[in-house]
Amino acid sequence: AQKITQTQPGMFVQEKEAVTLDCTYDTSDPSYGLFWYKQPSSGEMIFLIYQGSYDQQNATEGRYSLNFQKARKSANLVISASQLGDSAMYFCAMRGNSGGGADGLTFGKGTHLIIQP
Amino acid sequence: NAGVMQNPRHLVRRRGQEARLRCSPMKGHSHVYWYRQLPEEGLKFMVYLQKENIIDESGMPKERFSAEFPKEGPSILRIQQVVRGDSAAYFCASSRERTYGYTFGSGTRLTVV
Repeated sequence: AQKITQTQPGMFVQEKEAVTLDCTYDTSDPSYGLFWYKQPSSGEMIFLIYQGSYDQQNATEGRYSLNFQKARKSANLVISASQLGDSAMYFCAMRGNSGGGADGLTFGKGTHLIIQP
Repeated sequence: NAGVMQNPRHLVRRRGQEARLRCSPMKGHSHVYWYRQLPEEGLKFMVYLQKENIIDESGMPKERFSAEFPKEGPSILRIQQVVRGDSAAYFCASSRERTYGYTFGSGTRLTVV
């Protein structure tokens, strides 16, 4: 079975500082994908970044980067130069290839990030 | 350039009524996934469908819940005889192929009173 753990229920960060949101995962699949989603107070799920288990380099998308440490099974999201609009829930998710819901994503419980001016 | 469209955005039902949630995937997407988000929780996978076929329903409750994705029209998630515990946000996602490229809709928030 797959499992995603996000150990930070909430974080307060000063505007313009960098933020690291933790995510560890557990899977027996040799091939898997890791995702981060942002959910603002309006409720929609916004895709941020994706990392494949065989990707050689860490994924980056604008101010977002994924610190992928395969041996540690961690996939932390780094947001550089945080902005007030970054305040939201952030979810780490994984997709693997084994049976039992393999076609869906397994989500962590999320981190509530609040950016303070 | 419509994304994944879900309706209604908010749905209120009394205990024992039926709830029907609709999801129109992005144009060109034939794979649909339904997720449920309970308060203060992440999303939980429910079911994966392709046109006219249920591929994986391992996350669906065994009773009262059903899903379909007909040849024409949106995908429907149906909850019969709703109970208070069904109150949640229900999200639909679609993809072009069985790949990692999911796009989520804005969700339907179901409240059972």
